[in-house]
Amino acid sequence: QVQLVESGGGVVQPGKSLRLSCAASGFTFSNYGMHWVRQAPGKGPEWLAVISYDGSNEYYADSVVGRFTISRDNSRNTQYLQMNSLRLEDTAVYYCAKDRRPGIHGMDVWGQGTTVTVSS
Amino acid sequence: DIVMTQTPLSLPVTPGEPASISCRSSQTLLDAEDGNTYLDWYLQKPGQSPQLLIHTFSARASGVPDRFSGSGSGTNFTLRISRVEAEDVGIYYCMQRLKFPFTFGPGTKVDIK
Repeated sequence: QVQLVESGGGVVQPGKSLRLSCAASGFTFSNYGMHWVRQAPGKGPEWLAVISYDGSNEYYADSVVGRFTISRDNSRNTQYLQMNSLRLEDTAVYYCAKDRRPGIHGMDVWGQGTTVTVSS
Repeated sequence: DIVMTQTPLSLPVTPGEPASISCRSSQTLLDAEDGNTYLDWYLQKPGQSPQLLIHTFSARASGVPDRFSGSGSGTNFTLRISRVEAEDVGIYYCMQRLKFPFTFGPGTKVDIK
């Protein structure tokens, strides 16, 4: 079955960097767009970024553009989120999500999330 | 950005009874080029990740019971549960994916009376 496993979360100081990974299995990873979505404590989800199946296109939320970079390695069935210049408000659970069908069509399966805490 | 709103924000329900949640967008979610309406519904059960219920405003996702249905057009949408079951408790979110960035509504918390 489709499985997405995020890793790389932790506690980090403001201004520092962190890289999240998402290992995918159970589907042909190289055919699907992949997303990152986060959820701050007690808040609703916030969509952050998507990368196309071949990595040729990326789109970002205004809140992270210029600070976060989405990427993927289809040979490793893994996508990444490089997070730089972290702020207190970046504290959240970060979810990796698979697109519903080839192309960019919205998320169907989500991972269990990895927690990022930005604190001095 | 497209702003999504939902009503009500809290919905106590009785098992076996129907329930409905409204979602409104700040601009039409109808894509004039392809005729599709890009509105999805998710349910986040307690302690879990969100799960897709409805995509493209009215299509049930794989494995979703047929007691869930989506309707609407343009800027106004409704999620209906024909007969609520105890397992349906959680927070329901609508999300638009017509334009980047995708944006979610604030959520409707459904619990049992």
